[in-house]
Amino acid sequence: NAGVTQTPKFQVLKTGQSMTLQCAQDMNHNSMYWYRQDPGMGLRLIYYSASEGTTDKGEVPNGYNVSRLNKREFSLRLESAAPSQTSVYFCASGGVAGETDTQYFGPGTRLTVL
Amino acid sequence: AQKVTQAQTEISVVEKEDVTLDCVYETRDTTYYLFWYKQPPSGELVFLIRRNSFDEQNEISGRYSWNFQKSTSSFNFTITASQVVDSAVYFCALSAVMNSGYSTLTFGKGTMLLVSP
Repeated sequence: NAGVTQTPKFQVLKTGQSMTLQCAQDMNHNSMYWYRQDPGMGLRLIYYSASEGTTDKGEVPNGYNVSRLNKREFSLRLESAAPSQTSVYFCASGGVAGETDTQYFGPGTRLTVL
Repeated sequence: AQKVTQAQTEISVVEKEDVTLDCVYETRDTTYYLFWYKQPPSGELVFLIRRNSFDEQNEISGRYSWNFQKSTSSFNFTITASQVVDSAVYFCALSAVMNSGYSTLTFGKGTMLLVSP
């Protein structure tokens, strides 16, 4: 039981490049989330998916797109990376759609945009 | 809008001292949930506790204890007899109902705890 997995662990991009961060969970959770963590800012929600087939914007969605590929997988795409997107990205999953359940986090992806 | 304030940015203690991490929250929801997470130097986020707004009983788990006081909108976390392995950033989080009607979490900015031998 791997929990929440994320790939890659580290990535360096040049301004304007695109990339997709992958996230998968094997806990049969309905809800999945993408956060970014910046120094002194805590975790801020980018997008979430309350259930398969739905996605919604969080606090800081600009510059990102997401895809809920199936119940297990939720990807985050940067179409044209900017230095302001340098951050640590965490994926999380939770239990029941629409209910407040504990979120379990992946190990994170450290992204640097030059 | 929901808000979580962790006023202590950084705390330094010596091993075996007790330490309390403060968390103050704001919400208009009548039902809500509060959480604590630990982020050790390795970087992963580890769930510690979840508490709903109807349960104001204090909780103790080994050296960890939590004090939830609805009257002061606080959910403080105490580590008794701290150890070097407790060194980490600790996040308090509050459930938030989004415009979509679904719930997610609002996090505080975290408190870095450094326990020295």
